[in-house]
Amino acid sequence: AQSVSQHNHHVILSEAASLELGCNYSYGGTVNLFWYVQYPGQHLQLLLKYFSGDPLVKGIKGFEAEFIKSKFSFNLRKPSVQWSDTAEYFCAGRRGGGATNKLIFGTGTLLAVQP
Amino acid sequence: DGGITQSPKYLFRKEGQNVTLSCEQNLNHDAMYWYRQDPGQGLRLIYYSQIVNDFQKGDIAEGYSVSREKKESFPLTVTSAQKNPTAFYLCASSIGVADTQYFGPGTRLTVL
Repeated sequence: AQSVSQHNHHVILSEAASLELGCNYSYGGTVNLFWYVQYPGQHLQLLLKYFSGDPLVKGIKGFEAEFIKSKFSFNLRKPSVQWSDTAEYFCAGRRGGGATNKLIFGTGTLLAVQP
Repeated sequence: DGGITQSPKYLFRKEGQNVTLSCEQNLNHDAMYWYRQDPGQGLRLIYYSQIVNDFQKGDIAEGYSVSREKKESFPLTVTSAQKNPTAFYLCASSIGVADTQYFGPGTRLTVL
């Protein structure tokens, strides 16, 4: 079965620390991968996405993610976090190219940034 | 102001009652989705619709029903058959099912 795994359930960092959140997916072939963020009290927002092309994807608010096909990974990174990055982060993926391929979400990572 | 609206933000119901959650979008998207979010479980797909008058079951459709009579509307009914209905419900839409999904603000349903 297709799955998306996020190994870090809770992460606590101090401001200015670097961030890397892990995401692995279970299926081969063409994939579409996404990172969404849910700030406290706000709706789920798209941070970045990968469909094809350059495996290093840049998103909003200084986030980036790297698609590594050999490792089935799509880790989210930010060189220096801010208190305002406190949120829950969800990785999601699906097989690419199909009209009925469902989007599978990871279980989420709660990030708390201490000032 | 374009986007996806869900109402109400909070909803309380007694056990055994059906309840309908509203989802409206003015993005002219063909595809719409309903997810359920529970702590520690991420988002799970309940139903989705590729186009008006068509919808498909997701991974956890039991105890739920939907309709898609208009392009902009995709209401979800949580029936009394749903064994654990208390959750945060998210609606999403996309241009097509192969495109990026955008989410509404969610409805938190509590069944007492």
